[in-house]
Amino acid sequence: GENVEQHPSTLSVQEGDSAVIKCTYSDSASNYFPWYKQELGKRPQLIIDIRSNVGEKKDQRIAVTLNKTAKHFSLHITETQPEDSAVYFCAASKGSGGSNYKLTFGKGTLLTVNP
Amino acid sequence: DAMVIQNPRYQVTQFGKPVTLSCSQTLNHNVMYWYQQKSSQAPKLLFHYYDKDFNNEADTPDNFQSRRPNTSFCFLDIRSPGLGDAAMYLCATSRGGTVYEQYFGPGTRLTVT
Repeated sequence: GENVEQHPSTLSVQEGDSAVIKCTYSDSASNYFPWYKQELGKRPQLIIDIRSNVGEKKDQRIAVTLNKTAKHFSLHITETQPEDSAVYFCAASKGSGGSNYKLTFGKGTLLTVNP
Repeated sequence: DAMVIQNPRYQVTQFGKPVTLSCSQTLNHNVMYWYQQKSSQAPKLLFHYYDKDFNNEADTPDNFQSRRPNTSFCFLDIRSPGLGDAAMYLCATSRGGTVYEQYFGPGTRLTVT
């Protein structure tokens, strides 16, 4: 089955700096890669996602890049703010059909943005 | 305008006493999922429904059952909770077809005493 590795497990940055979180996946059939932000005691919140037919996607301060050949994708947060502090999870799935909807999650990255 | 609703938000049960967690959605999504999330871990998929078709994960204990009586509601039954079942239980939905985005409910925090 799919295996998703996520690094680093913790990341501490100064406010205004950029943060990058990287994930690798094992199954070349995976074609959908979402990123979730989870604040303490709250639900995972979808912040951005990318499909395998796209190399990069941006939404204001966050962006995701995908390298299908190398089977890795990354989350980039620019101009970080204290409210960006949370656990971030990457995930992968094969998209549609039966159990293909299943998301395989990375283990998460605790991002701390210091004021 | 809550989209995925879970009840209760907090549930305390005794060791071995059956418990049912509830999820409802106003999105009319075809797919509903149940995840278990323990402290400092990623969500772990227990099972999901595509409409009425049930898909169980191979490593989901038999102690966990699910029902989906209609499009809007899905239930998680834990037949004999053990101390190791204490966790946050998250319900999620997605439209299905070629729309893959999953949206999570607020979760139910289960405590087993």
